[in-house]
Amino acid sequence: KAGVTQTPRYLIKTRGQQVTLSCSPISGHRSVSWYQQTPGQGLQFLFEYFSETQRNKGNFPGRFSGRQFSNSRSEMNVSTLELGDSALYLCASSPDRGSPGNTIYFGEGSWLTVV
Amino acid sequence: AQSVTQLDSQVPVFEEAPVELRCNYSSSVSVYLFWYVQYPNQGLQLLLKYLSGSTLVKGINGFEAEFNKSQTSFHLRKPSVHISDTAEYFCAVSRNNFNKFYFGSGTKLNVKP
Repeated sequence: KAGVTQTPRYLIKTRGQQVTLSCSPISGHRSVSWYQQTPGQGLQFLFEYFSETQRNKGNFPGRFSGRQFSNSRSEMNVSTLELGDSALYLCASSPDRGSPGNTIYFGEGSWLTVV
Repeated sequence: AQSVTQLDSQVPVFEEAPVELRCNYSSSVSVYLFWYVQYPNQGLQLLLKYLSGSTLVKGINGFEAEFNKSQTSFHLRKPSVHISDTAEYFCAVSRNNFNKFYFGSGTKLNVKP
């Protein structure tokens, strides 16, 4: 069974630009969540999507947005990039069968550098 | 609100020695507890989790963790580490059936020969 796939793995953008990152969850997983990882702030929750609806949102500005498609694939977008957005963006998927204590499975991440 | 504290940012240890990585959490509600490992330039991999039942949980690669409700701790242990265990380890909590995880700041385990 293929794992969580994230593309692109590495990218460099200029301040003010926007970026779109893609995530394909494990087959059968309906929940996709996104995390930002930086040396200073650690792992921070961005948002979670389930059945194409945003179910949970972290404490990030509106420049960070996402969506989920009917096949559970997800994209996140960051507009008007700032230097501080440089980070590893991790996608995680979960089968979420409605029982508590779901496990989330991570992809290898997309490394974003803003210059 | 939940918070997770990993007291040790770095833990150096010699190969074949035992190791304990500490994790404390605070929450006003029941939580579920996880340990993940991150190897360089990779995503996070689940080591083990505690949902309910026996407070001692065993995970992959010989790791185990013990849930202590009175001390709100979930420390990770391995009786004998290998060079290949060198990685960063993250403790995390979630609650209810939401997939919003709160992570600790991580502990870098450095296993020396």
